[in-house]
Amino acid sequence: ETGVTQSPTHLIKTRGQQVTLRCSSQSGHNTVSWYQQALGQGPQFIFQYYREEENGRGNFPPRFSGLQFPNYSSELNVNALELDDSALYLCASSPQDSYYGYTFGSGTRLTVV
Amino acid sequence: AQTVTQSQPEMSVQEAETVTLSCTYDTSESNYYLFWYKQPPSRQMILVIRQEAYKQQNATENRFSVNFQKAAKSFSLKISDSQLGDTAMYFCAFMMETGNNRKLIWGLGTSLAVNP
Repeated sequence: ETGVTQSPTHLIKTRGQQVTLRCSSQSGHNTVSWYQQALGQGPQFIFQYYREEENGRGNFPPRFSGLQFPNYSSELNVNALELDDSALYLCASSPQDSYYGYTFGSGTRLTVV
Repeated sequence: AQTVTQSQPEMSVQEAETVTLSCTYDTSESNYYLFWYKQPPSRQMILVIRQEAYKQQNATENRFSVNFQKAAKSFSLKISDSQLGDTAMYFCAFMMETGNNRKLIWGLGTSLAVNP
């Protein structure tokens, strides 16, 4: 049984550019959530996808968008990058009916310069 | 609004000793779930222990146990027989559910160093 894998592990982008981060969910998990973790902070919920649709969103602007594919993998897209977008982006998967916490990937470290 | 507070930014403990990490939360919900996650330098969040609010019995997972005080909205983590591999950031999290969506609300974390 594979866990959650994220790619790339590190990324450096220039302010104003666009970025796509990828996540493969754990086998059997149909729900994917994305979190942003700034340095020295706890993660902040960005959004959640279930059955290829966004079904919950945190306090993030529309330039943060996502996709979920039929195999439950997911992408996080960020347009018009700002310096404050520099953070660790964590993907987590779970079964939809689970209250037992999520399985997390190792994250993508995004640096915006 | 639901909030999670971890009042200890850093803690240290000697190997084989016991340490307790504090967490308080605020919610108006009656049924919810609480978690402790560990984040080592590898960055991956690893579930340490979970607690269902409707259960009065404190959860235990090997060397890890919680002291859940629902009325006080307190959820502390006790690590017994600390090991060097326990060195990591520890985050307390509260699961909030809205319709079909569940999300975790996190504290700021406690950096734990286990010293040889």
